[in-house]
Amino acid sequence: GAVVSQHPSWVICKSGTSVKIECRSLDFQATTMFWYRQFPKQSLMLMATSNEGSKATYEQGVEKDKFLINHASLTLSTLTVTSAHPEDSSFYICSATTGQGLPGANVLTFGAGSRLTVL
Amino acid sequence: GENVEQHPSTLSVQEGDSAVIKCTYSDSASNYFPWYKQELGKRPQLIIDIRSNVGEKKDQRIAVTLNKTAKHFSLHITETQPEDSAVYFCAASIGSISGGYNKLIFGAGTRLAVHP
Repeated sequence: GAVVSQHPSWVICKSGTSVKIECRSLDFQATTMFWYRQFPKQSLMLMATSNEGSKATYEQGVEKDKFLINHASLTLSTLTVTSAHPEDSSFYICSATTGQGLPGANVLTFGAGSRLTVL
Repeated sequence: GENVEQHPSTLSVQEGDSAVIKCTYSDSASNYFPWYKQELGKRPQLIIDIRSNVGEKKDQRIAVTLNKTAKHFSLHITETQPEDSAVYFCAASIGSISGGYNKLIFGAGTRLAVHP
């Protein structure tokens, strides 16, 4: 089946530094990847849609200059948290679609997630 | 904006009993409704999904029903087992992106505990 690899699985950084998280589709090409944020015991909040070869589409309230998304290839999307602050501490999860299925449908495969702690 | 409501937030059942989780969605154009299971510290895993042209789908002990008129869908787990204990998220597709891929909006989650 489809596999999505996400790295790092956890990272601790100092306030003011930037952190990059990678999301790779290992055995399929993903023209579209999604980035979610999950707070403890809460749901997955969609942050942005990452499209290969074009700019990401951000959800309302998500700062695009804060969360930089790059989808440079059909198998790799990166999320960079710039000038991280403690309130950015969270669990970030990427997901990708194989594109198979009926038009208008999305079968998502999730990465394992990255737990970011900003000191 | 579009949203998905999920109930209950927690559910505790005895092993062997059935569990039902319900979700409602607001976007009448939603046409894809997956359910994900997330165990502690792990990634969400798709367990079953249903599309708007179907009213019910079953996979062994798991079934999902969809009522498009009322805009709600439910997850049914029968003969629950301790390993079913996890957080379950419903989701609904919204919007439209080129290529026919839709965004998914998730419910708040239901923490299911199955007691031996």
